[in-house]
Amino acid sequence: AQKVTQAQTEISVVEKEDVTLDCVYETRDTTYYLFWYKQPPSGELVFLIRRNSFDEQNEISGRYSWNFQKSTSSFNFTITASQVVDSAVYFCALSEANNAGNMLTFGGGTRLMVKP
Amino acid sequence: NAGVTQTPKFQVLKTGQSMTLQCAQDMNHEYMSWYRQDPGMGLRLIHYSVGAGITDQGEVPNGYNVSRSTTEDFPLRLLSAAPSQTSVYFCASVAIRGLNYGYTFGSGTRLTVV
Repeated sequence: AQKVTQAQTEISVVEKEDVTLDCVYETRDTTYYLFWYKQPPSGELVFLIRRNSFDEQNEISGRYSWNFQKSTSSFNFTITASQVVDSAVYFCALSEANNAGNMLTFGGGTRLMVKP
Repeated sequence: NAGVTQTPKFQVLKTGQSMTLQCAQDMNHEYMSWYRQDPGMGLRLIHYSVGAGITDQGEVPNGYNVSRSTTEDFPLRLLSAAPSQTSVYFCASVAIRGLNYGYTFGSGTRLTVV
């Protein structure tokens, strides 16, 4: 069974600080996909990144970067020089390839508060 | 704009009432699904569909029904609302695996059952 754990329920930082959101996953499949979503106060889910299990390259997109390590089953998300607009709940999610319903299993989310 | 449209955005029901949450997508995706979001638990899968006429249960299906008569529409029915169904509901449309693999979520329906 697939499982995603986001141990940090809430993080508070001051603007311009760097912050890392942790994500640890469990799966028996060798082929799977990992996602990060942002949920701002308005409530919609905003897609940030998808990574498949065969691609361990880290990715950087502006102030965002992701560190995928299969050895530790982790897919951590770092925001560099955080801004108030980064305040949101962030979800990590997992989908196994052999999953009939394309079910996404979500972690419990990390609420990030960036203070000016 | 292409995407997933959910209605209504907000709803208050009395215990025992029934209602239908609407979901429509215009991306011609075969896969659609319904999730509920509860505090501290992320989103959990209620029901899903792999194509018109085919539906199946997800992780938390009790108290909900779905049908898929067309590719575009995937309504979620609450048969007899209970306070435990107070939640935020998201419909998702899924692009099949490959380079475009991904989920497009609707804007959500906030449901309160009193």
